[in-house]
Amino acid sequence: GENVEQHPSTLSVQEGDSAVIKCTYSDSASNYFPWYKQELGKGPQLIIDIRSNVGEKKDQRIAVTLNKTAKHFSLHITETQPEDSAVYFCAASLLNQAGTALIFGKGTTLSVSS
Amino acid sequence: GAVVSQHPSRVICKSGTSVKIECRSLDFQATTMFWYRQFPKQSLMLMATSNEGSKATYEQGVEKDKFLINHASLTLSTLTVTSAHPEDSSFYICSAIGVTSGVTYEQYFGPGTRLTVT
Repeated sequence: GENVEQHPSTLSVQEGDSAVIKCTYSDSASNYFPWYKQELGKGPQLIIDIRSNVGEKKDQRIAVTLNKTAKHFSLHITETQPEDSAVYFCAASLLNQAGTALIFGKGTTLSVSS
Repeated sequence: GAVVSQHPSRVICKSGTSVKIECRSLDFQATTMFWYRQFPKQSLMLMATSNEGSKATYEQGVEKDKFLINHASLTLSTLTVTSAHPEDSSFYICSAIGVTSGVTYEQYFGPGTRLTVT
């Protein structure tokens, strides 16, 4: 089955700096790679996702890159702000109607200090 | 966008009792729903896959007789924690697969249910 590794487990940056979180996956059949932000006591919130037919996707300050050959994908947050502080999870799955569940990485606690 | 709700958001129950958690897709039909469990400061761990009209598929190590899952309709899946014990205290999160733009499948998460067993 799928296995997702995520690094680093904690990341501290100064406001305005960039933050990068990296994940690797094991199942080459996976075609969907979302990133979630989770605040304390809340469910995960999708912030960006990428499918296997795309190498990069950007949404304002957030971008995700995917290297299918190496089976890794990364989240890039630019111009970080204190409100970006949260736990971020990467995940991988084969997404279709039947659907396999998302397999999550262990999470990265991002702290942005002002 | 697609919305998944969970009820209740928080529940406290006594050891030995049963608790039912509902997961609803509010504006789309979901043939497949998933149940996850999250302990403090840990990642989401898949418990089971729930398919409408059929028995749920449980992950290794998850007791199907303790965590009863029913997916009776295309918009509702329920998780019942039977004979709850303090070690069952956790954050339970459901998700549902739905179709957007008539083509693309997306997975949407509920807000979670905090279960505390005393």
